[in-house]
Amino acid sequence: DAGITQSPRHKVTETGTPVTLRCHQTENHRYMYWYRQDPGHGLRLIHYSYGVKDTDKGEVSDGYSVSRSKTEDFLLTLESATSSQTSVYFCAISESTRKETQYFGPGTRLLVL
Amino acid sequence: QKEVEQDPGPLSVPEGAIVSLNCTYSNSAFQYFMWYRQYSRKGPELLMYTYSSGNKEDGRFTAQVDKSSKYISLFIRDSQPSDSATYLCAMSSYNNNDMRFGAGTRLTVKP
Repeated sequence: DAGITQSPRHKVTETGTPVTLRCHQTENHRYMYWYRQDPGHGLRLIHYSYGVKDTDKGEVSDGYSVSRSKTEDFLLTLESATSSQTSVYFCAISESTRKETQYFGPGTRLLVL
Repeated sequence: QKEVEQDPGPLSVPEGAIVSLNCTYSNSAFQYFMWYRQYSRKGPELLMYTYSSGNKEDGRFTAQVDKSSKYISLFIRDSQPSDSATYLCAMSSYNNNDMRFGAGTRLTVKP
């Protein structure tokens, strides 16, 4: 998985609790992305980062925040988890904005009860 | 209506068959077209990438783009059981951050 790790790999939490997912890369790539994958919807971009402390919203950003204090780490936070945020979350990295250079991590399965 | 439509299948074929996977889209600004393969409980991996219209071949895989019809295809020749996976189409305009994915087609190749 191109030097990308995600933690935790599985998490069960309750509605209303905060949750933080971590993406760690060893490739020193500039761009990092958070997606969610749901049946019938494919992958949808939540937030992305184009450098340390530089982030922007994606297609489905409501209810999520991100932070990137180091090149290698990109955190996704659900401030108050809801059942609609039950999903599989994927981190991706890319060296540039070229389409063919985006590599995905192994995913985190999140269940919000 | 979704920007990208992909038949979810499932699709089951015998080993050695030719497989055709397809997506349609509505946004005429899309210029970059990708196919990803995703094995069960794994992250997607890029399989094919095409810019604008035309064909691209890589081994047993051929990607086709018809921008006039807003239709893309992935052909797999001599399919193998190891090709069993979910195939996702994806596309974007110039900005990498507006990639849109299809829902994925689950393919099973039976020995």
